[in-house]
Amino acid sequence: QLQLQESGPGLVKPSETLSLTCTVSGDSISSNGYYWGWIRQPPGKGLEWIGTMFYSGITYCNPSLKSRVTISRDTSKNQFSLDLNFVTAADTALYYCARAQIAEYGRTFYFDYWGQGTLVTASS
Amino acid sequence: SSELTQDPAVSVALGQTVRITCQGDSLRSYYASWYQQKPGQAPVLVLYGRNRRPSGIPARFSGSSSGNIESLTITGTQAEDEAEYYCNSRDSTGDHVIFGGGTKLTVL
Repeated sequence: QLQLQESGPGLVKPSETLSLTCTVSGDSISSNGYYWGWIRQPPGKGLEWIGTMFYSGITYCNPSLKSRVTISRDTSKNQFSLDLNFVTAADTALYYCARAQIAEYGRTFYFDYWGQGTLVTASS
Repeated sequence: SSELTQDPAVSVALGQTVRITCQGDSLRSYYASWYQQKPGQAPVLVLYGRNRRPSGIPARFSGSSSGNIESLTITGTQAEDEAEYYCNSRDSTGDHVIFGGGTKLTVL
């Protein structure tokens, strides 16, 4: 059974970098055809896609966050990570990592496994 | 376009049928996927692609598409279906992912 677990500091100071890691068990993040991504949800609000890494290492990021986001991976630990620079209070959210796939010849992109999420608060 | 629009709230009587919609220009090229999120829990995939249900999702969840609108239909709605429902798809460029704002489903 695939499991994803987010980890990282729950409190980050404004202007500093938010760093989170997703540890995957039950599958390899290098497995052919899968994407690994980050989604966030501010308190009481909806879901926002942050970015996704293809199994090959290619990354795609939300244009509104692209200049501040880095997604990387450590295949030896079966982990992928999120760095978000220059955080503000607006970055306070529940951060999820998830696995994604495409179907219907690329016409569908869906997240089929999610972590439980980790709350990160940006505050001094 | 980089937006998916959902009605903020929908209600349905127990045992009745409800349709939750997701509208956006990208849906002319891409299918939506649907997620159910209950309070304090991570989203759960309930439908994806051309009306595909993941293992374990009841058959009362189904999908349909017309133009730039995709719909999630729950037939014979149960009390446990009360939740927030989100759609997502690729944006019109195909390189990015977008989510709808969510629909809160209340079962009366």
